Amino acid sequence: QQQVKQSPQSLIVQKGGISIINCAYENTAFDYFPWYQQFPGKGPALLIAIRPDVSEKKEGRFTISFNKSAKQFSLHIMDSQPGDSATYFCAAGDNTDKLIFGTGTRLQVFP
Amino acid sequence: NAGVTQTPKFQVLKTGQSMTLQCAQDMNHEYMSWYRQDPGMGLRLIHYSVGAGITDQGEVPNGYNVSRSTTEDFPLRLLSAAPSQTSVYFCASRPRGLPREQYFGPGTRLTVT
Repeated sequence: QQQVKQSPQSLIVQKGGISIINCAYENTAFDYFPWYQQFPGKGPALLIAIRPDVSEKKEGRFTISFNKSAKQFSLHIMDSQPGDSATYFCAAGDNTDKLIFGTGTRLQVFP
Repeated sequence: NAGVTQTPKFQVLKTGQSMTLQCAQDMNHEYMSWYRQDPGMGLRLIHYSVGAGITDQGEVPNGYNVSRSTTEDFPLRLLSAAPSQTSVYFCASRPRGLPREQYFGPGTRLTVT
């Protein structure tokens, strides 16, 4: 049973465009929702994270939107750049210290 | 700080062989985890530890053993390698409490033939 569903599997965006990746979860005990960025041959690195008491968090060009009632959250990358080309993972965690990851989205930004 | 280090970077095993993937961190983090990454499957938790002497199973623990004798080290042992264990393995660590950011190592690419 996949607890965190991520879409799309891959995404192609033109430079300057908006990239949007969506995730949905089932377990209402989740209280921590991070996004990780992974470049080829590297380990994932935290990009931005949100807790369910806020509906949006913005850090530079990256924004998380969170809808608690729908149990969905999304990552928006504004003004997408070729350097943003990477695989993005959403995740969800609860107080058991486990982190459950989505299946990943491969983003390609073309100049 | 070296952060989270993993050795080896690459490994090829024959079916039935055993080996240990090494993970070490120098950030004095209490929490350490092992994940495997497979195409289309994301990162799946194998085992995790909340401190020295304490370990627990994740989503896909079968075929793997762990122990945590020190805060710094968290080795992952493959008891009898199978082709289904061909994957990229990541170790991660984080401090107790907030924020819950996990720091990942560079990964070990394992192929079992």
